[in-house]
Amino acid sequence: GAVVSQHPSWVICKSGTSVKIECRSLDFQATTMFWYRQFPKQSLMLMATSNEGSKATYEQGVEKDKFLINHASLTLSTLTVTSAHPEDSSFYICSARSGRDTEAFFGQGTRLTVV
Amino acid sequence: GQNIDQPTEMTATEGAIVQINCTYQTSGFNGLFWYQQHAGEAPTFLSYNVLDGLEEKGRFSSFLSRSKGYSYLLLKELQMKDSASYLCAVLDSNYQLIWGAGTKLIIKP
Repeated sequence: GAVVSQHPSWVICKSGTSVKIECRSLDFQATTMFWYRQFPKQSLMLMATSNEGSKATYEQGVEKDKFLINHASLTLSTLTVTSAHPEDSSFYICSARSGRDTEAFFGQGTRLTVV
Repeated sequence: GQNIDQPTEMTATEGAIVQINCTYQTSGFNGLFWYQQHAGEAPTFLSYNVLDGLEEKGRFSSFLSRSKGYSYLLLKELQMKDSASYLCAVLDSNYQLIWGAGTKLIIKP
């Protein structure tokens, strides 16, 4: 299957700082990328959907000014958690698909811990 | 509203067969996916059904009935490594993925 690379795999940051997470599709063009958050023992929660070259669509309750998403090319999307707080500590996962009716492939996930 | 239901947890014995059910009510339907997720890892793709019937892929099979809004994932010859969460997801009319909460499968020796 297609490969989606997410970096970093884990990060620890101080409260108030910003963290950037990258998601790259290595062998296909990702027209759509999804960002999810998953708290321990809970299901995936979609944060936002981004199409290349356009602004991301955020789910209700997700602060767009706090979670900045950029999808500038067909192979790269970034999620920046700004002014991180301990409650932002979670597992962040990106997924990408090349067409609207194809499966989405997931990155490895990023475990964020804010101290 | 859109809704996907699957059991929260199931237990099965190594070497046995287990069926994980998924029922859905969505605005439109453009396919159903099953993913496997081990604890602390990202989900991995297992199957995709868009037409009624059974799709077999090795030890895993997935079935779909669109008229009943129902799917199941069948795992045969269970191995300890199959202990994971299994997520059902439906593509709605807008090609948005709607996720179930996942079924935690526990395999016992």
